[in-house]
Amino acid sequence: QKEVEQDPGPLSVPEGAIVSLNCTYSNSAFQYFMWYRQYSRKGPELLMYTYSSGNKEDGRFTAQVDKSSKYISLFIRDSQPSDSATYLCAMRMEYGNKLVFGAGTILRVKS
Amino acid sequence: DGGITQSPKYLFRKEGQNVTLSCEQNLNHDAMYWYRQDPGQGLRLIYYSQIVNDFQKGDIAEGYSVSREKKESFPLTVTSAQKNPTAFYLCASTPGYRVSFQPQHFGDGTRLSIL
Repeated sequence: QKEVEQDPGPLSVPEGAIVSLNCTYSNSAFQYFMWYRQYSRKGPELLMYTYSSGNKEDGRFTAQVDKSSKYISLFIRDSQPSDSATYLCAMRMEYGNKLVFGAGTILRVKS
Repeated sequence: DGGITQSPKYLFRKEGQNVTLSCEQNLNHDAMYWYRQDPGQGLRLIYYSQIVNDFQKGDIAEGYSVSREKKESFPLTVTSAQKNPTAFYLCASTPGYRVSFQPQHFGDGTRLSIL
């Protein structure tokens, strides 16, 4: 079993839809939870991160962490064609900089 | 503009050949990382370096080698011992290797294929 599980998709939605992307994990020691966006043939760029449990909002993006269920989510409101990309979740423990990544979910937003 | 430059964008390797991927950063970051990305899999850590002249193996170091002679440079050599080298290789950096959260900045990758 992988430490971080993420449905690879692809997830196809119409423009303006609310998108929900999710990851589950098995290591309860993870404390930092990140979402990266990766466009085709590009490197990942950090969208948001949260520490421990709770929600964080940044514009159209909301990240949620439920440590009791070992489940994290990224919501995208009013999705745009420019949001079409691969979304990677990543996690790390309290100390050090080693990240554990999910496989990534391919998102396609159709205009 | 500060950032991470990876070159070349595309690279082809013949059987039995070693190839070297370049990673240069002008962010004045101490720590640098190499990842491998395969379709349907997350990024996997190959090697990382916390400081000049020091580096450690990641989860999949076999068949790879690195050097860190300068702060801004962290080249990765894919040796002939790596039997399945076809992948997208990503280099990243952070200001340091400390306790507080420091997001990893990524380059735009090198796609390596076998001839």
